[in-house]
Amino acid sequence: QKEVEQDPGPLSVPEGAIVSLNCTYSNSAFQYFMWYRQYSRKGPELLMYTYSSGNKEDGRFTAQVDKSSKYISLFIRDSQPSDSATYLCAMSLSNTGNQFYFGTGTSLTVIP
Amino acid sequence: EPEVTQTPSHQVTQMGQEVILRCVPISNHLYFYWYRQILGQKVEFLVSFYNNEISEKSEIFDDQFSVERPDGSNFTLKIRSTKLEDSAMYFCASMGTASQPQHFGDGTRLSIL
Repeated sequence: QKEVEQDPGPLSVPEGAIVSLNCTYSNSAFQYFMWYRQYSRKGPELLMYTYSSGNKEDGRFTAQVDKSSKYISLFIRDSQPSDSATYLCAMSLSNTGNQFYFGTGTSLTVIP
Repeated sequence: EPEVTQTPSHQVTQMGQEVILRCVPISNHLYFYWYRQILGQKVEFLVSFYNNEISEKSEIFDDQFSVERPDGSNFTLKIRSTKLEDSAMYFCASMGTASQPQHFGDGTRLSIL
């Protein structure tokens, strides 16, 4: 099984709110975890890239991976209207150039 | 910042016709991928390409599909005889080394009539 599950939303929050986006997966062999942002009619844009369990922070974005629960999260602090987009989680089995497995994406709207 | 570029941005083709989608990966990247995204659905893997050969392909990538790296810069996806269900966004991605993430182009929207 290589399924990645993600709540499609839509999610609507006021500007300045903390946003929490989540994905679950079934294959415990996944080791690399990514979050991409996709604007309408654009390609996925890499936000965060993490290996195995733990936290990674980059500016207003924090990625968390809990391999024991097969659960990953992306937190956006002080959300801005420009954060309005679809957020895709993705994961891969190893670092040998394998394909990425994507969630369906969560549509986020940040209201000014 | 280097980026993956794809042409054309939109391709309209009659069913049964051949179509070639073009990609220029990031310079010096070694791994190349094609994905597709049917409207409202997940991004789905089609094929990966490394060292001038296919390294992995999905069930979607049947005999109607082929990939080529004709020179040092381009990476193409060919669909020999298009079907209505081939209508989708097709994304090219490239990766520098195996431990890095994939970077995506903005896609080609393929419409089959």
